[in-house]
Amino acid sequence: DTGVSQDPRHKITKRGQNVTFRCDPISEHNRLYWYRQTLGQGPEFLTYFQNEAQLEKSRLLSDRFSAERPKGSFSTLEIQRTEQGDSAMYLCASKVADTHYEQYFGPGTRLTVT
Amino acid sequence: DAKTTQPTSMDCAEGRAANLPCNHSTISGNEYVYWYRQIHSQGPQYIIHGLKNNETNEMASLIITEDRKSSTLILPHATLRDTAVYYCIVRDNTDKLIFGTGTRLQVFP
Repeated sequence: DTGVSQDPRHKITKRGQNVTFRCDPISEHNRLYWYRQTLGQGPEFLTYFQNEAQLEKSRLLSDRFSAERPKGSFSTLEIQRTEQGDSAMYLCASKVADTHYEQYFGPGTRLTVT
Repeated sequence: DAKTTQPTSMDCAEGRAANLPCNHSTISGNEYVYWYRQIHSQGPQYIIHGLKNNETNEMASLIITEDRKSSTLILPHATLRDTAVYYCIVRDNTDKLIFGTGTRLQVFP
């Protein structure tokens, strides 16, 4: 399967702990996006990269959140000092830049903060 | 904020056409209309997109009004597996997708 993959698929953590999620995009896609989705809502944009450069961050991305894409391939999203409000599905998507082609989404990582 | 409005939910009988409307009255001339769907607990799946002409692919058809203020996604022969939340999105040149709350389509036997 050459689609977008995310790891882990599920994560349960206690409040105050740090968590890190990984996204592996489709190999030839140079743009990578992170979204967050809470129950009953559509996904909300968090940030995106073109190659290794982080080009835009949403105001939703507080200073407890950090995302990296060090070699322009996989990306990580870290949440420090998790809060119960961080419980959500974290979605990753990728696409080829500068085209009107679609974003391909991964299956998501479901985070539960207890 | 999302630039589109959609009905909260719709029903469709299996085998019939499902017509999902979307209003995007503030759309700009260079903004595309995209449709995605999300089946429970999965990531969104791309369906189709268009600028001003009607579009068709193996999944669906997209009809955009001449003034581009609204569009309709048509699933010609709905199946139970088409039960999902359908999102209509107006995408600007910043490339990020701004999702609304979508239309929950229930296909029944």
